[in-house]
Amino acid sequence: ELKVEQNPLFLSMQEGKNYTIYCNYSTTSDRLYWYRQDPGKSLESLFVLLSNGAVKQEGRLMASLDTKARLSTLHITAAVHDLSATYFCAVGLEGSGSRLTFGEGTQLTVNP
Amino acid sequence: NAGVMQNPRHLVRRRGQEARLRCSPMKGHSHVYWYRQLPEEGLKFMVYLQKENIIDESGMPKERFSAEFPKEGPSILRIQQVVRGDSAAYFCASSTGTALGRELFFGEGSRLTVL
Repeated sequence: ELKVEQNPLFLSMQEGKNYTIYCNYSTTSDRLYWYRQDPGKSLESLFVLLSNGAVKQEGRLMASLDTKARLSTLHITAAVHDLSATYFCAVGLEGSGSRLTFGEGTQLTVNP
Repeated sequence: NAGVMQNPRHLVRRRGQEARLRCSPMKGHSHVYWYRQLPEEGLKFMVYLQKENIIDESGMPKERFSAEFPKEGPSILRIQQVVRGDSAAYFCASSTGTALGRELFFGEGSRLTVL
């Protein structure tokens, strides 16, 4: 059974600081996603990572994937309050269609 | 191009009643997934459907829960005889199902409260 673990689960940081969220998964996967969820809202797709060494950046967020280590990171640079949300990583398995297994989520609070 | 549409957005039921949640996938998408999110938790897979077929229901509780995706109309997740533990947000997602289009697009969710 595929397990996906994120850490930390809760993260409180000051504006302007950098931090990294980690996502470990237990089985070989062919794709990994990062989503953002605001309270009471749906999931917004941030990144899709499909190959070892993939790195994608959008604004203050950068995601990377190491398939050998079964690890993805979401790096936050110079955080701003608007980044406060819950971030989920999700992993897909070949042969399972688009079914995804989600991590528990990292609740990020950026303080002014 | 409208996104994934779910209704109702909020539903309140008393214990023992039935809840029906509807999901219309994005235009051109023939694959639908239902996920459940309990408070303060991640999303848990429930069921994967294509038109008129259930492909994977390994995440569905064995009793009281059922899902369908008819040839015409939205996908429906049905919960019979609801209990307080069914209170959660239920998200529907859709995809084209092709290798290139495997990204999931999520709806806004239906939040079920069981009194």
